[in-house]
Amino acid sequence: SQQGEEDPQALSIQEGENATMNCSYKTSINNLQWYRQNSGRGLVHLILIRSNEREKHSGRLRVTLDTSKKSSSLLITASRAADTASYFCATGNSGGSNYKLTFGKGTLLTVNP
Amino acid sequence: NAGVTQTPKFRVLKTGQSMTLLCAQDMNHEYMYWYRQDPGMGLRLIHYSVGEGTTAKGEVPDGYNVSRLKKQNFLLGLESAAPSQTSVYFCASSPGRVGQPQHFGDGTRLSIL
Repeated sequence: SQQGEEDPQALSIQEGENATMNCSYKTSINNLQWYRQNSGRGLVHLILIRSNEREKHSGRLRVTLDTSKKSSSLLITASRAADTASYFCATGNSGGSNYKLTFGKGTLLTVNP
Repeated sequence: NAGVTQTPKFRVLKTGQSMTLLCAQDMNHEYMYWYRQDPGMGLRLIHYSVGEGTTAKGEVPDGYNVSRLKKQNFLLGLESAAPSQTSVYFCASSPGRVGQPQHFGDGTRLSIL
C-alpha cells in the first residue's frame, strides 16, 4: 500500500516560475526522500530529510517536513525546461523495516519554455 | 562507474513463458530491491535482499522469485508469465544503512501477450 501521496498529480508551469509539490504520509517515519524520474529512465535521488529536520536545501531545491501534519513539500525555484519529469516522495519507516522505502504515485511536472 | 545495470531493457513474452531479469550493481551495496511500476500506481516493492544469500518478500511478491547468489547481482524470475505482469521493472540498490538513498537502474519494459 502507498505510504506517500503526492499532490498535485500533475503541474504545468512556465520556465522561471517556482514549482511546489506536496507529499502526505500516514505512519511514523525515519526519513523522507524525493526522487525525480525522467521519461523512460530510472529514478534519481534528489534530497533526503530526516524526521528531526524541518527544512533542507540543495541548489534550487527546498524541502520541508512537518511530522505533526505528516506532510512534506518540495519547492523547485526558477524552474527550467530540463526540470520536466515526474517527482516522487518516498518514506523510510521507523522500526524494523527501516531499510525499505515506500513510494507515492508521483507528480508529473511540465515546465514550458 | 556503471551504477545499476538491468538486462534486458525490453522483452515481449507469451503467457505461460518464463524469464529472468538480471540486475547488477558495482557500488558494493548490501541491499538490493526489485520494484514494478504501473501507470497511476507508483512503485511497488516485489522482493528485496539485505545481503548476499538473503531474500525477502515485499508488497507484491506473488508470481515472482528472486535470488542473490552474489553480492553484486539480484535476479528476478517470472515462473509462468501472466498479462497482469506487464509492467516496467526497476532494480535498485543501497548501502543499507538507515536513511540512505537508493540507486536505480533504467528499467526493463516487459510486455506479456
